[in-house]
Amino acid sequence: QSVLTQPPSASGTPGQRVTISCSGSSSNIGSHTVNWYQQLPGTAPKLLIYSNNQRPSGVPDRFSGSKSGTSASLAISGLQSEDEADYYCATWDDSLNGRLFGGGTKLTVL
Amino acid sequence: EVQLVESGGGLVKPGDSLRLSCAASGFTFSSYSMNWVRQAPGKGLEWVSSISKSSSYIYYAESLKGRFTISRDNAKNSLYLQMNSLRAEDTAVYYCAREYCSGGICYGKDIWGQGTMVIVSS
Repeated sequence: QSVLTQPPSASGTPGQRVTISCSGSSSNIGSHTVNWYQQLPGTAPKLLIYSNNQRPSGVPDRFSGSKSGTSASLAISGLQSEDEADYYCATWDDSLNGRLFGGGTKLTVL
Repeated sequence: EVQLVESGGGLVKPGDSLRLSCAASGFTFSSYSMNWVRQAPGKGLEWVSSISKSSSYIYYAESLKGRFTISRDNAKNSLYLQMNSLRAEDTAVYYCAREYCSGGICYGKDIWGQGTMVIVSS
Protein backbone atom coordinates (compact mmCIF):
# COMPACT_ATOMS: atom_id res chain seq x y z
CA GLN A 1 0.00 0.00 0.00
CA SER A 2 1.42 3.33 -1.10
CA VAL A 3 2.10 6.21 1.28
CA LEU A 4 0.35 8.42 -1.28
CA THR A 5 -3.22 7.25 -1.66
CA GLN A 6 -5.01 7.48 -5.00
CA PRO A 7 -8.31 5.90 -6.00
CA PRO A 8 -7.54 2.82 -8.08
CA SER A 9 -10.01 3.82 -10.76
CA ALA A 10 -11.96 6.74 -12.14
CA SER A 11 -14.24 7.16 -15.12
CA GLY A 12 -16.12 9.73 -17.13
CA THR A 13 -17.83 10.30 -20.42
CA PRO A 14 -16.42 12.42 -23.26
CA GLY A 15 -16.63 16.11 -22.48
CA GLN A 16 -17.04 15.55 -18.76
CA ARG A 17 -14.74 16.87 -16.00
CA VAL A 18 -12.97 14.29 -13.85
CA THR A 19 -10.79 14.76 -10.78
CA ILE A 20 -8.25 12.35 -9.32
CA SER A 21 -7.16 12.77 -5.73
CA CYS A 22 -3.84 12.06 -4.05
CA SER A 23 -3.77 11.96 -0.26
CA GLY A 24 -0.58 12.10 1.76
CA SER A 25 0.75 13.49 5.00
CA SER A 26 2.73 16.35 6.49
CA SER A 27 6.02 14.64 5.63
CA ASN A 28 5.28 14.49 1.93
CA ILE A 29 2.51 16.48 0.22
CA GLY A 30 2.23 18.79 3.21
CA SER A 31 5.85 19.87 2.80
CA HIS A 32 6.68 19.43 -0.86
CA THR A 33 5.36 20.11 -4.34
CA VAL A 34 3.44 17.48 -6.24
CA ASN A 35 3.93 16.26 -9.79
CA TRP A 36 1.51 14.27 -11.91
CA TYR A 37 2.33 11.74 -14.62
CA GLN A 38 0.22 10.19 -17.34
CA GLN A 39 1.04 6.71 -18.62
CA LEU A 40 -0.72 5.57 -21.77
CA PRO A 41 -0.92 1.79 -22.26
CA GLY A 42 2.44 0.29 -23.22
CA THR A 43 4.34 3.57 -23.05
CA ALA A 44 6.69 5.38 -20.69
CA PRO A 45 5.19 7.88 -18.25
CA LYS A 46 4.83 11.50 -19.30
CA LEU A 47 5.08 14.55 -17.03
CA LEU A 48 1.66 16.18 -16.93
CA ILE A 49 1.85 18.66 -14.04
CA TYR A 50 4.84 19.84 -12.00
CA SER A 51 5.13 22.05 -8.92
CA ASN A 52 1.49 21.39 -7.98
CA ASN A 53 -0.13 23.29 -10.84
CA GLN A 54 2.32 23.99 -13.65
CA ARG A 55 1.94 22.47 -17.09
CA PRO A 56 4.98 21.57 -19.19
CA SER A 57 5.02 22.92 -22.70
CA GLY A 58 2.68 20.93 -24.92
CA VAL A 59 0.30 19.73 -22.21
CA PRO A 60 -3.24 20.93 -22.97
CA ASP A 61 -4.84 23.35 -20.52
CA ARG A 62 -7.60 20.77 -20.04
CA PHE A 63 -5.25 19.33 -17.42
CA SER A 64 -4.85 21.22 -14.15
CA GLY A 65 -3.41 20.48 -10.74
CA SER A 66 -3.99 21.80 -7.26
CA LYS A 67 -2.79 21.19 -3.73
CA SER A 68 -4.29 21.91 -0.35
CA GLY A 69 -2.69 20.82 2.89
CA THR A 70 -1.76 17.16 2.63
CA SER A 71 -3.80 16.43 -0.49
CA ALA A 72 -3.47 17.15 -4.18
CA SER A 73 -5.79 16.79 -7.13
CA LEU A 74 -5.55 16.43 -10.87
CA ALA A 75 -8.50 17.69 -12.89
CA ILE A 76 -9.20 16.82 -16.49
CA SER A 77 -11.88 18.85 -18.23
CA GLY A 78 -13.39 18.19 -21.64
CA LEU A 79 -12.54 14.51 -21.27
CA GLN A 80 -11.38 12.82 -24.47
CA SER A 81 -10.97 9.16 -25.37
CA GLU A 82 -7.20 9.61 -25.65
CA ASP A 83 -7.10 10.57 -21.96
CA GLU A 84 -7.70 6.95 -21.06
CA ALA A 85 -4.52 6.12 -19.15
CA ASP A 86 -2.99 5.56 -15.74
CA TYR A 87 -2.28 8.68 -13.68
CA TYR A 88 0.27 8.93 -10.88
CA CYS A 89 0.99 11.62 -8.33
CA ALA A 90 4.53 11.97 -6.98
CA THR A 91 6.42 13.95 -4.39
CA TRP A 92 9.27 13.81 -1.89
CA ASP A 93 8.90 12.32 1.60
CA ASP A 94 10.99 13.63 4.49
CA SER A 95 10.49 10.55 6.66
CA LEU A 96 11.62 8.18 3.93
CA ASN A 97 14.20 10.64 2.59
CA GLY A 98 13.19 9.70 -0.92
CA ARG A 99 10.74 10.12 -3.76
CA LEU A 100 7.26 8.64 -3.75
CA PHE A 101 4.69 7.71 -6.35
CA GLY A 102 1.05 7.21 -5.59
CA GLY A 103 -0.45 3.84 -6.36
CA GLY A 104 -1.91 5.12 -9.61
CA THR A 105 -5.43 5.70 -10.91
CA LYS A 106 -6.73 4.01 -14.03
CA LEU A 107 -8.96 6.44 -15.91
CA THR A 108 -11.58 4.95 -18.20
CA VAL A 109 -13.43 7.07 -20.75
CA LEU A 110 -16.86 5.51 -21.15
CA GLU B 1 16.42 15.21 -30.34
CA VAL B 2 16.35 14.91 -26.57
CA GLN B 3 16.56 11.22 -25.80
CA LEU B 4 17.29 8.65 -23.12
CA VAL B 5 18.01 5.06 -24.11
CA GLU B 6 18.27 2.29 -21.52
CA SER B 7 20.12 -0.96 -22.03
CA GLY B 8 21.42 -3.91 -20.07
CA GLY B 9 18.21 -5.64 -19.09
CA GLY B 10 17.66 -9.34 -19.49
CA LEU B 11 16.89 -12.65 -17.82
CA VAL B 12 18.97 -13.45 -14.76
CA LYS B 13 18.79 -15.92 -11.88
CA PRO B 14 18.08 -15.00 -8.26
CA GLY B 15 21.27 -13.81 -6.61
CA ASP B 16 22.82 -12.61 -9.86
CA SER B 17 24.01 -9.09 -10.62
CA LEU B 18 23.14 -6.82 -13.52
CA ARG B 19 24.23 -3.37 -14.62
CA LEU B 20 21.80 -1.11 -16.42
CA SER B 21 22.91 1.82 -18.54
CA CYS B 22 21.11 4.89 -19.78
CA ALA B 23 22.59 6.89 -22.65
CA ALA B 24 21.55 10.53 -22.88
CA SER B 25 21.62 12.69 -25.98
CA GLY B 26 20.28 16.00 -27.22
CA PHE B 27 20.74 17.93 -23.97
CA THR B 28 23.40 18.95 -21.47
CA PHE B 29 23.44 15.81 -19.34
CA SER B 30 25.52 17.38 -16.57
CA SER B 31 22.80 20.00 -15.92
CA TYR B 32 20.19 17.51 -14.79
CA SER B 33 19.55 15.17 -11.90
CA MET B 34 18.79 11.65 -13.05
CA ASN B 35 16.51 8.94 -11.74
CA TRP B 36 15.72 5.27 -12.05
CA VAL B 37 12.07 4.28 -11.79
CA ARG B 38 10.76 0.75 -12.16
CA GLN B 39 7.42 -0.84 -12.91
CA ALA B 40 6.67 -4.48 -12.15
CA PRO B 41 4.35 -6.24 -14.62
CA GLY B 42 0.81 -4.95 -14.16
CA LYS B 43 1.83 -2.75 -11.22
CA GLY B 44 2.39 0.95 -10.58
CA LEU B 45 5.50 3.09 -10.77
CA GLU B 46 8.14 2.69 -8.07
CA TRP B 47 10.95 5.19 -7.61
CA VAL B 48 14.30 3.40 -7.28
CA SER B 49 17.07 5.98 -7.00
CA SER B 50 18.15 9.54 -7.79
CA ILE B 51 21.53 11.17 -8.37
CA SER B 52 22.26 14.88 -8.53
CA LYS B 53 24.08 16.65 -11.36
CA SER B 54 27.55 16.21 -9.93
CA SER B 55 26.80 13.00 -7.99
CA SER B 56 26.97 14.92 -4.70
CA TYR B 57 23.54 13.75 -3.60
CA ILE B 58 22.36 10.17 -4.01
CA TYR B 59 19.12 8.70 -2.72
CA TYR B 60 17.64 5.22 -2.76
CA ALA B 61 14.29 3.68 -2.01
CA GLU B 62 14.58 2.29 1.50
CA SER B 63 13.76 -1.26 0.39
CA LEU B 64 16.66 -1.28 -2.08
CA LYS B 65 19.46 0.20 -0.02
CA GLY B 66 22.56 -1.91 0.02
CA ARG B 67 21.73 -3.89 -3.12
CA PHE B 68 21.49 -1.20 -5.81
CA THR B 69 24.05 1.49 -6.65
CA ILE B 70 23.39 4.46 -8.91
CA SER B 71 26.20 6.30 -10.67
CA ARG B 72 26.78 8.61 -13.61
CA ASP B 73 29.55 9.61 -15.97
CA ASN B 74 28.95 13.13 -17.22
CA ALA B 75 31.82 12.85 -19.69
CA LYS B 76 30.05 9.92 -21.31
CA ASN B 77 26.50 11.30 -20.89
CA SER B 78 25.57 8.09 -19.15
CA LEU B 79 23.66 6.93 -16.10
CA TYR B 80 24.10 3.51 -14.51
CA LEU B 81 22.35 1.23 -12.04
CA GLN B 82 24.33 -1.63 -10.55
CA MET B 83 21.92 -4.23 -9.18
CA ASN B 84 23.25 -6.99 -6.92
CA SER B 85 21.63 -9.96 -5.16
CA LEU B 86 18.67 -9.77 -7.49
CA ARG B 87 15.35 -11.22 -6.35
CA ALA B 88 12.21 -12.28 -8.16
CA GLU B 89 10.48 -9.15 -6.89
CA ASP B 90 13.02 -7.01 -8.78
CA THR B 91 11.42 -8.17 -12.02
CA ALA B 92 10.25 -4.98 -13.74
CA VAL B 93 10.72 -2.52 -16.55
CA TYR B 94 13.41 -0.08 -15.46
CA TYR B 95 13.14 3.49 -16.75
CA CYS B 96 15.69 6.26 -16.53
CA ALA B 97 14.32 9.78 -16.34
CA ARG B 98 15.86 13.23 -16.18
CA GLU B 99 14.77 15.92 -13.77
CA TYR B 100 15.74 19.57 -13.48
CA CYS B 101 16.50 20.53 -9.90
CA SER B 102 17.63 23.89 -8.55
CA GLY B 103 18.00 25.22 -5.05
CA GLY B 104 16.75 21.98 -3.56
CA ILE B 105 13.55 22.00 -5.61
CA CYS B 106 12.96 19.54 -8.43
CA TYR B 107 10.55 20.20 -11.27
CA GLY B 108 9.40 16.77 -12.34
CA LYS B 109 10.82 14.01 -14.51
CA ASP B 110 10.22 15.46 -17.94
CA ILE B 111 12.10 13.06 -20.21
CA TRP B 112 11.89 9.27 -19.88
CA GLY B 113 13.56 6.44 -21.72
CA GLN B 114 11.62 3.58 -23.27
CA GLY B 115 12.62 1.24 -20.45
CA THR B 116 14.59 -1.98 -20.23
CA MET B 117 13.08 -5.20 -18.92
CA VAL B 118 14.74 -7.13 -16.10
CA ILE B 119 13.44 -10.62 -15.36
CA VAL B 120 14.73 -12.47 -12.31
CA SER B 121 13.79 -16.12 -12.47
CA SER B 122 15.33 -19.49 -11.87
